[in-house]
Amino acid sequence: DTEVTQTPKHLVMGMTNKKSLKCEQHMGHRAMYWYKQKAKKPPELMFVYSYEKLSINESVPSRFSPECPNSSLLNLHLHALQPEDSALYLCASSHPGRRQGSYEQYFGPGTRLTVT
Amino acid sequence: GESVGLHLPTLSVQEGDNSIINCAYSNSASDYFIWYKQESGKGPQFIIDIRSNMDKRQGQRVTVLLNKTVKHLSLQIAATQPGDSAVYFCAEKRNQGGKLIFGQGTELSVKP
Repeated sequence: DTEVTQTPKHLVMGMTNKKSLKCEQHMGHRAMYWYKQKAKKPPELMFVYSYEKLSINESVPSRFSPECPNSSLLNLHLHALQPEDSALYLCASSHPGRRQGSYEQYFGPGTRLTVT
Repeated sequence: GESVGLHLPTLSVQEGDNSIINCAYSNSASDYFIWYKQESGKGPQFIIDIRSNMDKRQGQRVTVLLNKTVKHLSLQIAATQPGDSAVYFCAEKRNQGGKLIFGQGTELSVKP
């Protein structure tokens, strides 16, 4: 299984709502990532988990709260978002260190988030 | 067809022609580079990677060239097909943590 799955595929939420994005992989990867991507722009790194511990937070506002319950799951909890937070949210996973010379990150299909 | 410069966002080629997508990187300490393809509505998909101790690597219909002297990376696609239409991103790894820094991307459009 070389797939990263993300749910939901689409999400519309109001600025006062609380919602969560979910990501799952069964490749045995111990590094997992959240990215934000605006249309026609590159993915921007938000968070990195390595061995279920948060290792990188790219100065993301606290209205985004990541969680890694176990080595296969990654959540992103959303609260009091702004319309400018509307974007494609991508999850990725990889082996945390070099494995066979590759640092490839495997991406999920993303969740298209619209904040109204 | 060939894209030039870091910020040219679109490359249009005829089906069957070869495509060259260019990418400039800024950090001479980067030791690993990767190309991703992203089709509309999908996540980025791995194409090919290269380590800094190499200057060329070939895959199926794709070749990546690395010129460390001028900090330049290119992706060559042979016999471009309509299914190759997508946005292509280069990315570099700058430290031991595996963090990837993505370039701005080039949108490849293949005309039948």
